[in-house]
This record gives sequence, structure tokens and C-alpha cells, in this order.
Amino acid sequence: KAGVTQTPRYLIKTRGQQVTLSCSPISGHRSVSWYQQTPGQGLQFLFEYFSETQRNKGNFPGRFSGRQFSNSRSEMNVSTLELGDSALYLCASSSGGLQETQYFGPGTRLLVL
Amino acid sequence: AQSVTQLDSHVSVSEGTPVLLRCNYSSSYSPSLFWYVQHPNKGLQLLLKYTSAATLVKGINGFEAEFKKSETSFHLTKPSAHMSDAAEYFCVVSERGTYKYIFGTGTRLKVLA
Repeated sequence: KAGVTQTPRYLIKTRGQQVTLSCSPISGHRSVSWYQQTPGQGLQFLFEYFSETQRNKGNFPGRFSGRQFSNSRSEMNVSTLELGDSALYLCASSSGGLQETQYFGPGTRLLVL
Repeated sequence: AQSVTQLDSHVSVSEGTPVLLRCNYSSSYSPSLFWYVQHPNKGLQLLLKYTSAATLVKGINGFEAEFKKSETSFHLTKPSAHMSDAAEYFCVVSERGTYKYIFGTGTRLKVLA
């Protein structure tokens, strides 16, 4: 089976712009989670989607949003970018059950200038 | 609330010597625990998972971890380090009743020739 794929792999944006990141889960997986990884804060949970519904949300401002499509692909959007949004954004997929193993994609590295 | 604490931010070992990466967890119930590895500029790869079936869990690439309830520990070990093991390792607990992971702060393993 193909793994989790994320596009694009690298992005450079300027402050105030918005960005959309995409994640395609492993075939058959219905849950997609997003995490932000920074040197200062480590890995932090953003949100999780299952069957197009957001089931959990982390402690991030409303500028961070996401959605999931009927084919389980997910997108994450960050509006009004700030310098502090520079990070590696990781997507993970699972079958969707509680405490199921999550499989991670390679990430999208976002640099905000 | 569940949490994990990785006791060492950096560990250095010589090639061919044993590896010990320490992780303590906090949970009022029997948790699901994971170890993931992240190589530079890559996503997270699952090493192993504990789900109460057996206290000694064997993972990929010769790694294993032992769940010790009395010590609330889930340390990762490998008998003989290889240069390719140099990476960052994350201990993770799956938060009960949600679908999100809680990550430790990571341990960077350096393998000396």
C-alpha cells in the first residue's frame, strides 16, 4: 500500500498570506490528523477528521482550519500567516478507532518570511 | 490527563554498544504507548506499539520496549547501535477517549563511529 502523501513538501510564504496544505491518507484509512512541529514547542496536535467531520481539535487559533473530503483526503488552511507559523506540518492517517496506530506522511515544511 | 516525559534530550552511544532511551508516562488507566523515530527532514516512522497484550514489545530494526506499570516507564532499547540509528525518537501516548497523540519532547540519538 502507498503511504501517506503530503503536498507540497516545501513552501515559502510571506506574513499575511494564506496557505493550503494537502494530505492523502493510506488507502482505506478514514481518519486524518494534523500536527505542527517546531523546535520550541515540539509536536502539537492541530485537529483530526473522520468521515468529513472534525472529531478533535487542539489549542490553535481559528486561523488554522481544515477539512476532509469524501475520499478521505484532507486539507489544512492557515490564514493571515505569522512568522511563528513556520514549522513542519505533519499529517497522519489511521483506520479511525480509538488508540489506533497513526501513520505519518513526510510533512510539509512551511517557511513564513 | 495523560502525558509522557522523555528523560534525556540527547543520548550518545558508540556503534555496537547498547541503546537506552527513557520514557515515563502518566496515566490513570492502561495506556496505548508508542515509539516513533524521525530521521532528518523526514516524517515519523512507527517503531513499536504497546497495547497491553504483552509487556515486552518488539519493534522494527532490533528495537524493543518494556512496559513497567510499577515504574510507569516505557523505555526503548536496542542491543547494538548502528550508525543508521542516529535520529530523533519520540515516545507517544494516545489520549484516552480522543483520537490524538500526546508527544514527548524527543530524544536525539547520536551514534559515534
